[in-house]
Amino acid sequence: AQSVTQLGSHVSVSEGALVLLRCNYSSSVPPYLFWYVQYPNQGLQLLLKYTSAATLVKGINGFEAEFKKSETSFHLTKPSAHMSDAAEYFCAVRGSGNTGKLIFGQGTTLQVKP
Amino acid sequence: NAGVTQTPKFQVLKTGQSMTLQCAQDMNHNSMYWYRQDPGMGLRLIYYSASEGTTDKGEVPNGYNVSRLNKREFSLRLESAAPSQTSVYFCASSDTGTRFDEQFFGPGTRLTVL
Repeated sequence: AQSVTQLGSHVSVSEGALVLLRCNYSSSVPPYLFWYVQYPNQGLQLLLKYTSAATLVKGINGFEAEFKKSETSFHLTKPSAHMSDAAEYFCAVRGSGNTGKLIFGQGTTLQVKP
Repeated sequence: NAGVTQTPKFQVLKTGQSMTLQCAQDMNHNSMYWYRQDPGMGLRLIYYSASEGTTDKGEVPNGYNVSRLNKREFSLRLESAAPSQTSVYFCASSDTGTRFDEQFFGPGTRLTVL
């Protein structure tokens, strides 16, 4: 069965600092992994996805994530945080079968301090 | 393209009342999903429809029913609302089985059951 664990429900960084949001997964098959962002009172928007083509995946708004099979991790990073990055971030893994179902982590709220 | 639309945006119900949440997508996607979002629990799948004419239970189906009316529309019904169903509900769709199979989310329905 697939599962996702996001380490840290709240992360606070200063503007201009490195952003690191952690995600570990469990999957019985080669995983498809996703990061979504949710701004206040909005739906979820795809940041990036890993589908086995390349281990370093670049997404929108300067975010990227690296797939590490040995560590079962898919951490999200951004070199320099902006105030506009303040949001909730969700890591997700595709469920088994061909239904497209996603299993989400609990979410990490990113706070960016001026 | 409007993407995924949901109605209503907000709803307040009394315990025992019924209501239907509507969802429509204009991307010709084959799969559609209903999630609920609760603080600290991420998004949990209620029901999904892998293709027109099929529906299946997700992680938390109790108290809900769904109808895949056609390829565009997927509704969620609460027959007898309970306070435990107070949540934010998201509909999503995807083109499962293709390279572009990430899920696209609607803006959500904020439901309060008193």
